[in-house]
Amino acid sequence: KNEVEQSPQNLTAQEGEFITINCSYSVGISALHWLQQHPGGGIVSLFMLSSGKKKHGRLIATINIQEKHSSLHITASHPRDSAVYICAVLVGGADGLTFGKGTHLIIQP
Amino acid sequence: DAGVTQSPTHLIKTRGQQVTLRCSPKSGHDTVSWYQQALGQGPQFIFQYYEEEERQRGNFPDRFSGHQFPNYSSELNVNALLLGDSALYLCASSLAPLAGSGELFFGEGSRLTVL
Repeated sequence: KNEVEQSPQNLTAQEGEFITINCSYSVGISALHWLQQHPGGGIVSLFMLSSGKKKHGRLIATINIQEKHSSLHITASHPRDSAVYICAVLVGGADGLTFGKGTHLIIQP
Repeated sequence: DAGVTQSPTHLIKTRGQQVTLRCSPKSGHDTVSWYQQALGQGPQFIFQYYEEEERQRGNFPDRFSGHQFPNYSSELNVNALLLGDSALYLCASSLAPLAGSGELFFGEGSRLTVL
């Protein structure tokens, strides 16, 4: 059974700080998603990656397939980045995505 | 271009009742997947529809069923509701026939409360 662990569970930081959220999984995967969920429920897809590194604006996502680990970085954090960040992995495809419990991020002005 | 739309946004049911939730995918998308998110938890994959057939299914009982229509919209039906079915139900659409193998576009969700 694939397990997805995220750390930290909760993170409070000051505006401008560099943020790192981690995701570890237990079995080989074919794809990993980083998602953002704001209060109220709607989810936005940030990245889908299977190797290496992707960057979009102030967000950077990396994945190390050998170590079964991914990180999401936010540079120059802003209060509007406050949200729950969720990691989800796809194993082979038979069972759909397996999600982590999410990291609740608060950026204080 | 309309994104993924879900209805209703909120609903309250009692134990034993049945509920139908609806999802219209993003324009041009033909794959719809459904997820259940309990309070404080990550989403869980329920099932995925492509070409009007259920292609993949997560670990959910047969009380959870669905349908996809020729216009790619989808319904999620839950029978014999239990208190534990209270959750946010999310729909996502994509162009990839395998759930999670392509970028996902999510709706705002339907929040179900079972009393």
